[in-house]
Order: sequence, then C-alpha cells, then structure tokens
Amino acid sequence: NAGVTQTPKFRILKIGQSMTLQCAQDMNHNYMYWYRQDPGMGLKLIYYSVGAGITDKGEVPNGYNVSRSTTEDFPLRLELAAPSQTSVYFCASSTSGKDLHFGNGTRLTVT
Amino acid sequence: DQQVKQNSPSLSVQEGRISILNCDYTNSMFDYFLWYKKYPAEGPTFLISISSIKDKNEDGRFTVFLNKSAKHLSLHIVPSQPGDSAVYFCAASDKAAGNKLTFGGGTRVLVKP
Repeated sequence: NAGVTQTPKFRILKIGQSMTLQCAQDMNHNYMYWYRQDPGMGLKLIYYSVGAGITDKGEVPNGYNVSRSTTEDFPLRLELAAPSQTSVYFCASSTSGKDLHFGNGTRLTVT
Repeated sequence: DQQVKQNSPSLSVQEGRISILNCDYTNSMFDYFLWYKKYPAEGPTFLISISSIKDKNEDGRFTVFLNKSAKHLSLHIVPSQPGDSAVYFCAASDKAAGNKLTFGGGTRVLVKP
C-alpha cells in the first residue's frame, strides 16, 4: 500500500548542479502534481499532468522540467540549481484533480 | 496575488475545547474547497472538503463551513485532541481552470493537554 513514493528524502546540491526528483504512484491516478513549500508558506504548483504524455505549467515552473511517459511516474528535473530552489518538494496524485494524495516530500538545499 | 489566505499563522487551544481555523479567498470562480492536515516530515493528508453548492459539511469531529457571499470558509474541530496538533492548509479549486488546487499559507495548531 505504497501510495505516492518520492526519492530522495534529502539532497544537498551545489549551485549550478542538476538533479531529478523521482515520484511514483501505484494507485493508477491520471492526475499528478509537483508542489514546492517554502518555510512558512503554502504549497505552490510547479507542474502538473492530467495523463501520460500530457504536462502543463503551474504557478512557478521556471527552472524546472517534467516528463510523464507512464501513468505511474512523474519525475521533476532541476537544471542549473539556484539557492532560490531551496525548498521542500511534494509530489501528489489524484483521480479527479481534487482530493490529492501526497508523498512525504524531498527536502532540497542548494548552496 | 494570494487568492487563498489563512491570516492566522498559529493557534493554541486547550484539549477538549473547540479549534476554529479560518480561510479567505478572492476568486469567485472557486467551486470546491478542501482542508489538509500536515505533520512534520510528512506530506499533507486530506481532511475534509465542501462543494460551493453547500454551506456545511461534517465528518466526525471536523466541520467545514462555507460563506460564499463573504468568500470565507472555516474549519471547526470539536473536541480538540493532542493528536490534532499539526499544520492545516485550506485549498480551493476552480473546475473551469482544470481543478488545480490553490493553497493557503497554513495555520499551525497546538493542542495543549
């Protein structure tokens, strides 16, 4: 009963490095999302997908890229990491786009 | 431009008493509202929701009230328990915009034994 699995849990990057945050769900949900949460702030939508092969930008997409080649996986790519990308990243999935199921997050620090 | 606002960053309440969390929104197109609960080092979990065609929804100790004219919703927790200590986020969605959720900044609730 895994739900939404995010890896890694923690990561420290140097400025200019790149990395991929992994997200997988086993609930056969069509909708998948990437949010970031900055300290004391709410969750802001980075990218989302309504099905395999379909992705779209959210509120804060700059500096990120996504792909959705399968229903299960929705990786988030950071190119040229910047200190402003220090945050906690949450992946989520949903059947309807309403009641989201979240993973436990990836805490990323860029120094 | 914060479309969903939770103006109280924190709330402290005695065990057994009522917790009232408030949320205001500005987008009149929002038609579905949700509350999520978040413990440290975990992802948010869905708590309760309400459609814009209703003004109240109840689930056990949790009740959400919606006042569309005031663009305001609230979450009541009665009675509050120590395990309710968490951060609570309200969220809203607009079906016409693809049901993407817009979140408030969260309210940290501390229930004292």
